[in-house]
Amino acid sequence: QKEVEQNSGPLSVPEGAIASLNCTYSDRVSQSFFWYRQYSGKSPELIMSIYSNGDKEDGRFTAQLNKASQYVSLLIRDSQPSDSATYLCAVINTNAGKSTFGDGTTLTVKP
Amino acid sequence: GAGVSQSPSNKVTEKGKDVELRCDPISGHTALYWYRQSLGQGLEFLIYFQGNSAPDKSGLPSDRFSAERTGGSVSTLTIQRTQQEDSAVYLCASSFTRDDEQYFGPGTRLTVT
Repeated sequence: QKEVEQNSGPLSVPEGAIASLNCTYSDRVSQSFFWYRQYSGKSPELIMSIYSNGDKEDGRFTAQLNKASQYVSLLIRDSQPSDSATYLCAVINTNAGKSTFGDGTTLTVKP
Repeated sequence: GAGVSQSPSNKVTEKGKDVELRCDPISGHTALYWYRQSLGQGLEFLIYFQGNSAPDKSGLPSDRFSAERTGGSVSTLTIQRTQQEDSAVYLCASSFTRDDEQYFGPGTRLTVT
């Protein structure tokens, strides 16, 4: 079992729909969670960070964290073709100083 | 402010040659990471530096790979006797501390012919 698991996709949604990306992690003491976006041929860029249970909203993006169930998700509202990319989930166990990335979910938003 | 920079952006080398890849982290960031990403694959952790502590080398795939970080800033990843399977994009990232979000450089695309 991988420490951080993501559905590789591809996930395809129509323009204007909500895209839901999920990530589960195995290290129960993980404390910091991040979502990155990686366009083809580019390096990952940070979208959002979340540290506490619940929702965190930033524009069209909402990160959701449930530590009891060990999952973190990213919702993209009003999806645009420019959102088409691979989304990486990253988890940090601050006690161990260890960060782990998932392999990413590829999202395609169709016009 | 300036982000993470890497050089060269592209490197083509012959099998068996040594290569050096450079990473200049964001000023003030104490943590520095090297990753490798093959086409269509996820990030493969290579090595991690934190301040003056001994680096975490647990991800280095073989003893042909080494890295150093001088003065707590610039880092160099060296691959000796390159093989075709070393062809990949090598990404460097830095963070303020080990507990913080990482910022990635543009990467170095290495092609071994």
